[in-house]
Amino acid sequence: GAGVSQSPSNKVTEKGKDVELRCDPISGHTALYWYRQSLGQGLEFLIYFQGNSAPDKSGLPSDRFSAERTGGSVSTLTIQRTQQEDSAVYLCASSLVGQLAKNIQYFGAGTRLSVL
Amino acid sequence: AQKVTQAQTEISVVEKEDVTLDCVYETRDTTYYLFWYKQPPSGELVFLIRRNSFDEQNEISGRYSWNFQKSTSSFNFTITASQVVDSAVYFCALSDLNLMDTGRRALTFGSGTRLQVQP
Repeated sequence: GAGVSQSPSNKVTEKGKDVELRCDPISGHTALYWYRQSLGQGLEFLIYFQGNSAPDKSGLPSDRFSAERTGGSVSTLTIQRTQQEDSAVYLCASSLVGQLAKNIQYFGAGTRLSVL
Repeated sequence: AQKVTQAQTEISVVEKEDVTLDCVYETRDTTYYLFWYKQPPSGELVFLIRRNSFDEQNEISGRYSWNFQKSTSSFNFTITASQVVDSAVYFCALSDLNLMDTGRRALTFGSGTRLQVQP
């Protein structure tokens, strides 16, 4: 597609259940980011993938959070044993790399996660 | 550590008024990028502008203009003759500027300013 695609757009789950959020980046973008947008917390970085390099997981809030990126394209963010504080909008972004890219990140519309 | 402060939580103006959104940043890096993004009600962040830290020239794009002042660590955004379609949350953001463009490039965001333009 032309832009970053995320699914589902909304997800309601019960506390303790696992959830998977999907991101399909812009074709050709080798860098992929996950951010979380919480009320009162703004946007915070979670994880970064770049090509075949090991992902930068420094922003993940706990070991219940994990992510993978298959074939250098689609990424899945998994939250295990969800807690109410995990409720937020999860945003995915992708970008080109290299000097001409200038670190401009293009965002999807996000997945709104509600943990009851 | 990097930090971006958008002190204005919410601004309400009447259509055709000019409005300035403030952004103040902190970083130990001598070179960096600054960004503005717009988040309309649909939720998708829309890229508006990127500036290099070594280029303090102000920029104008249609009704939008940006004032970058390194001396005060500010990167303010002005909308001239605001329109209802400008209603959104606006985010200022900061990232490293590595000329080799390697490594993590995550954005540090401010908390956003919600702009409401009344007809």
